[in-house]
Amino acid sequence: GAVVSQHPSRVICKSGTSVKIECRSLDFQATTMFWYRQFPKQSLMLMATSNEGSKATYEQGVEKDKFLINHASLTLSTLTVTSAHPEDSSFYICSAPSAGGGETQYFGPGTRLLVL
Amino acid sequence: GIQVEQSPPDLILQEGANSTLRCNFSDSVNNLQWFHQNPWGQLINLFYIPSGTKQNGRLSATTVATERYSLLYISSSQTTDSGVYFCAVPNQGGKLIFGQGTELSVKP
Repeated sequence: GAVVSQHPSRVICKSGTSVKIECRSLDFQATTMFWYRQFPKQSLMLMATSNEGSKATYEQGVEKDKFLINHASLTLSTLTVTSAHPEDSSFYICSAPSAGGGETQYFGPGTRLLVL
Repeated sequence: GIQVEQSPPDLILQEGANSTLRCNFSDSVNNLQWFHQNPWGQLINLFYIPSGTKQNGRLSATTVATERYSLLYISSSQTTDSGVYFCAVPNQGGKLIFGQGTELSVKP
């Protein structure tokens, strides 16, 4: 099956710093990728849709200036949490639809962010 | 928007037992996926099942699209089956909407 990787898997940072998370599709191209956030004991909530060659689209309530998304190539999307605060601590997961715009989505292993 | 409800929210099983997890959705869908999130957070695709029945080893799933529900069956459960099981369906914009999950704990 399709493979999606994320880096880093875990990051601890001080409040006020920025953190960049990378999402890569390893064996297929993805013009679209999705970013989710998951708080402990909760479900996945879609934050934004990353589009190669154009601006990301954000879900209601998600601050686009705080969560910067760049879809640099057909295999890479990055999420930058700017000026992170403790309430941004969460599990961030990316996904990409299967090749050819298929309806099956494949998920990365996630990134645990802890802001002190 | 479309609502997705899963039941039960929690389930504790003895190893070897069988279980059925349910996913109800509020609107017609052309796609439904079941995922297993392991204790390390990785989401693993189990089934893409917009309708009908599929089986993969000890797991099987059935979606009755006309009645807006899907069932995930786990037979002869093992401790490695522990984790959270999510179902997800696309909304009108094609974005996946997740249920709240069923947290399964299989005891040895």
